[in-house]
Amino acid sequence: DADVTQTPRNRITKTGKRIMLECSQTKGHDRMYWYRQDPGLGLRLIYYSFDVKDINKGEISDGYSVSRQAQAKFSLSLESAIPNQTALYFCATKSGLITGTDTQYFGPGTRLTVL
Amino acid sequence: KQEVTQIPAALSVPEGENLVLNCSFTDSAIYNLQWFRQDPGKGLTSLLLIQSSQREQTSGRLNASLDKSSGRSTLYIAASQPGDSATYLCAVRPGETSGSRLTFGEGTQLTVNP
Repeated sequence: DADVTQTPRNRITKTGKRIMLECSQTKGHDRMYWYRQDPGLGLRLIYYSFDVKDINKGEISDGYSVSRQAQAKFSLSLESAIPNQTALYFCATKSGLITGTDTQYFGPGTRLTVL
Repeated sequence: KQEVTQIPAALSVPEGENLVLNCSFTDSAIYNLQWFRQDPGKGLTSLLLIQSSQREQTSGRLNASLDKSSGRSTLYIAASQPGDSATYLCAVRPGETSGSRLTFGEGTQLTVNP
């Protein structure tokens, strides 16, 4: 089973709809991240969380909100989707331990299309 | 603000060739640099991580170098294979207190033809 899973994998929705993307991990990591990727651009950080009570905005948080329901779950919401939020969304996790590797582990991505 | 640029955007080579992918960054005060591989329908997989104090890292046919003072990194792939076809992304971590926030380049889409 994959260590980092994302649901749904694909979603088509209409402008103005509320959408939630979910991420779950079995790696036991405390740090979780949400990124978006647009064609021709690198990944950009939306939100990140160091633990259940510590949530931080990334470089492009406007129009998004997040919820860390448990250490293993981190959800991204679009309260009122707009077409320019059409993108590929990735969740990632990382151990916060000093002795842990600095590598982030990524989920398979959610392709979101807003019409 | 840190900016990361990758050249070329796309590369097509015949099987067996050695190749180099380039990554440049504007702020040399980095904590580390990573190279990732992205396959369609799958997430990113970390290939190599170079700490700011290191000059290079090797894994199998892959070798990544880092010249922090000039703001450059290269990923060298030896004896390329069709299975190497993917998008390669480099990412820099700005500092030890950055919360592991990464700044990514746009990626190089590599095609290795049989």
